[in-house]
Amino acid sequence: DTGVSQDPRHKITKRGQNVTFRCDPISEHNRLYWYRQTLGQGPEFLTYFQNEAQLEKSRLLSDRFSAERPKGSFSTLEIQRTEQGDSAMYLCASSLASGAGRYEQYFGPGTRLTVT
Amino acid sequence: AQKVTQAQTEISVVEKEDVTLDCVYETRDTTYYLFWYKQPPSGELVFLIRRNSFDEQNEISGRYSWNFQKSTSSFNFTITASQVVDSAVYFCALSELGGKSTFGDGTTLTVKP
Repeated sequence: DTGVSQDPRHKITKRGQNVTFRCDPISEHNRLYWYRQTLGQGPEFLTYFQNEAQLEKSRLLSDRFSAERPKGSFSTLEIQRTEQGDSAMYLCASSLASGAGRYEQYFGPGTRLTVT
Repeated sequence: AQKVTQAQTEISVVEKEDVTLDCVYETRDTTYYLFWYKQPPSGELVFLIRRNSFDEQNEISGRYSWNFQKSTSSFNFTITASQVVDSAVYFCALSELGGKSTFGDGTTLTVKP
């Protein structure tokens, strides 16, 4: 079990540029989540997938954000036309949804985005 | 809508003291799951404990214990005999049936030697 991995770990970009982040979940996990965390706050939900289906997207999420999980394995999160307010840590998590009532999420190390 | 409140922003204790972190939640769901996560200075969130809404039995796991009270919508977490390595930000989270989790804003615990 190699855990959740994210790439890149750090990204600095200029306002207006597009950025894409990748997340590789724990291999047997069928659910994958994206969160955003800013300093002093808890993670804020962005979207999540079960296999390749995107089941929920935050209403607070701008149309500039899009996520995919094309084959039900890794996922990408793209931010178009970045703004300084997008600067944050982007966290990916995965879980195994089952009838056993577990559902805890395992988090990756995050991608820290800085928009200048 | 779901909401998680961690009223304690920061707690400081001396090593070997017991410390309790408070968590109060709001949800309309009858089935839900509660979690505690730890975020050490290195930054990666680590899952600690889980409790299902239909199971109010409180448990102890090593130095960790938790007190789940549905009547007061509270899910408090206690570390017994705290150690310096316990210093971290602790988050309480609420989830419905494996969907999104709603997190509190965290409690920063500092354990001094």
